[in-house]
Amino acid sequence: GAVVSQHPSRVICKSGTSVKIECRSLDFQATTMFWYRQFPKQSLMLMATSNEGSKATYEQGVEKDKFLINHASLTLSTLTVTSAHPEDSSFYICSALDPSNSPLHFGNGTRLTVT
Amino acid sequence: KQEVTQIPAALSVPEGENLVLNCSFTDSAIYNLQWFRQDPGKGLTSLLLIQSSQREQTSGRLNASLDKSSGRSTLYIAASQPGDSATYLCALLEYGNKLVFGAGTILRVKS
Repeated sequence: GAVVSQHPSRVICKSGTSVKIECRSLDFQATTMFWYRQFPKQSLMLMATSNEGSKATYEQGVEKDKFLINHASLTLSTLTVTSAHPEDSSFYICSALDPSNSPLHFGNGTRLTVT
Repeated sequence: KQEVTQIPAALSVPEGENLVLNCSFTDSAIYNLQWFRQDPGKGLTSLLLIQSSQREQTSGRLNASLDKSSGRSTLYIAASQPGDSATYLCALLEYGNKLVFGAGTILRVKS
């Protein structure tokens, strides 16, 4: 069964609103989680690395004030897309690192549509 | 900066055919290489992981090879089935547990 749960699987929101996506590790404690974004017919691109108890590390070109990441516990990381715009419509997917095992475990992704 | 290229971008084959998917990368300083399967609108399923010191891995009808010196990996699928239809992604693990993905190969196996 799934070891990483991502919620919601789909969300439609209006331009200007904020959307929160949750990523939970179910069977292990994840000190590190990763957030990716995938545009249609393109690669998954790493957005940021989420570290429990500290600030996330963002990849070049990703606005940290727009994509807020919180990793307040060892089993939960959240990604909030603030003031969403249609160009933020994409497939967002998280992965979690189980320090006792590899490889990385992925959530099922969230399809965000901003109208 | 690591660049990962997957060829072909799309492939359509009849059921039962053996096929090869290709992945090339520019920087050989990797920890491992993984092949994933992604179904439409879904997350990723890890298929095979090859450590940087290994040359190949096998699981059932799947065989993946790794040649770091030439920056290439192949995924061989034997006796393809309609259920194999999906997007196949290769990804390289770099320092900091960062995965760099290729754009994928969309595979369709016709019954």
